[in-house]
Amino acid sequence: KAGVTQTPRYLIKTRGQQVTLSCSPISGHRSVSWYQQTPGQGLQFLFEYFSETQRNKGNFPGRFSGRQFSNSRSEMNVSTLELGDSALYLCASSSGQRDQPQHFGDGTRLSIL
Amino acid sequence: DQQVKQNSPSLSVQEGRISILNCDYTNSMFDYFLWYKKYPAEGPTFLISISSIKDKNEDGRFTVFLNKSAKHLSLHIVPSQPGDSAVYFCAARLDSARQLTFGSGTQLTVLP
Repeated sequence: KAGVTQTPRYLIKTRGQQVTLSCSPISGHRSVSWYQQTPGQGLQFLFEYFSETQRNKGNFPGRFSGRQFSNSRSEMNVSTLELGDSALYLCASSSGQRDQPQHFGDGTRLSIL
Repeated sequence: DQQVKQNSPSLSVQEGRISILNCDYTNSMFDYFLWYKKYPAEGPTFLISISSIKDKNEDGRFTVFLNKSAKHLSLHIVPSQPGDSAVYFCAARLDSARQLTFGSGTQLTVLP
């Protein structure tokens, strides 16, 4: 069974640009969550989508947005990039049912110059 | 406000011995707890979880214990193997929020 796939694995951007990251969940999973990992703040929740609807959002500015498609694939967009956005962005999928774990992809490493 | 805390940044254990990783939380509304293992340049790998209605869950070499009154959970690995060397994260979830709150991680090193 294929795991969670994130593309691209690495990305280099400059301040002010925007970026789109992609996530393909495990087949049959309808919930997709996004997390940001930085050395200083650890793993922090960005948002969660289920059946194309955003169900929950973390404490991040509006420059961070996402969407989910009918096939459960999800994209995350960051506009007007700042140096502090340099991080590992992780996507996780789950069935969305109670007491079911989230399974993570290997992440996209975003570096802002 | 750190709702999930892993107070030991690192732990070294001899191969074959027991590894015990600890995690404390402050929000009594958390109802589901998980442990993940993370190697460098990879995403977290799910290890084991426990619902708040249980106090123990076992899967092979891994056992998670939950003490709700103390707001404490622990992961026991027996016997420890060199391949277990990784960063271990505990995470907690509020069912209503559906998001995971992570601890800061513990680097486990299993010495051969």
